[in-house]
Amino acid sequence: KNEVEQSPQNLTAQEGEFITINCSYSVGISALHWLQQHPGGGIVSLFMLSSGKKKHGRLIATINIQEKHSSLHITASHPRDSAVYICAVPLYGGSQGNLIFGKGTKLSVKP
Amino acid sequence: EPEVTQTPSHQVTQMGQEVILRCVPISNHLYFYWYRQILGQKVEFLVSFYNNEISEKSEIFDDQFSVERPDGSNFTLKIRSTKLEDSAMYFCASSPGLAGADTQYFGPGTRLTVL
Repeated sequence: KNEVEQSPQNLTAQEGEFITINCSYSVGISALHWLQQHPGGGIVSLFMLSSGKKKHGRLIATINIQEKHSSLHITASHPRDSAVYICAVPLYGGSQGNLIFGKGTKLSVKP
Repeated sequence: EPEVTQTPSHQVTQMGQEVILRCVPISNHLYFYWYRQILGQKVEFLVSFYNNEISEKSEIFDDQFSVERPDGSNFTLKIRSTKLEDSAMYFCASSPGLAGADTQYFGPGTRLTVL
């Protein structure tokens, strides 16, 4: 079964800073998910990626399949980016099975 | 944009009572899921559902839990006899394809409080 580790657990940044959140997993996968959980509890899917890099606005996600590692970057962070960021991978690796979630990184961006 | 909806948003129940949490997945999606998140903890998979049957379930999903797709739109999670430790946020999700290979769309959640 896959195991997921995220770091850091908590992150406080000043508005405008560049943010990096890391995710490592133990079993090879075909795709990794990055999710955002709002302070109110709702969960939004940000990215699903299987190789290389994806960009959406100020968010960039990268993955290194060989090293079993992914990063989520936020450029020019803003207080509205404050949320918990969660990575998730297939429980049994590959593209099968259901998702196992990391504990999340709680990001707080101060104005 | 299509979205997953869940009702109720908050359910309070007495220990031992049955509860049914309701979800309406996105209409052309084929895979449906229930997750739970105990306050302060990570999201945990409960069950996945495809082609009108359970495709996978976790150790959490014991005999007290059941899922059903009673019609073409609703997807329900029933807890037969609630325990205090069932208090959590329950999220429904749906995806066009398999969880490992396709984006999942989450509902807003139902907060279940068992007294």
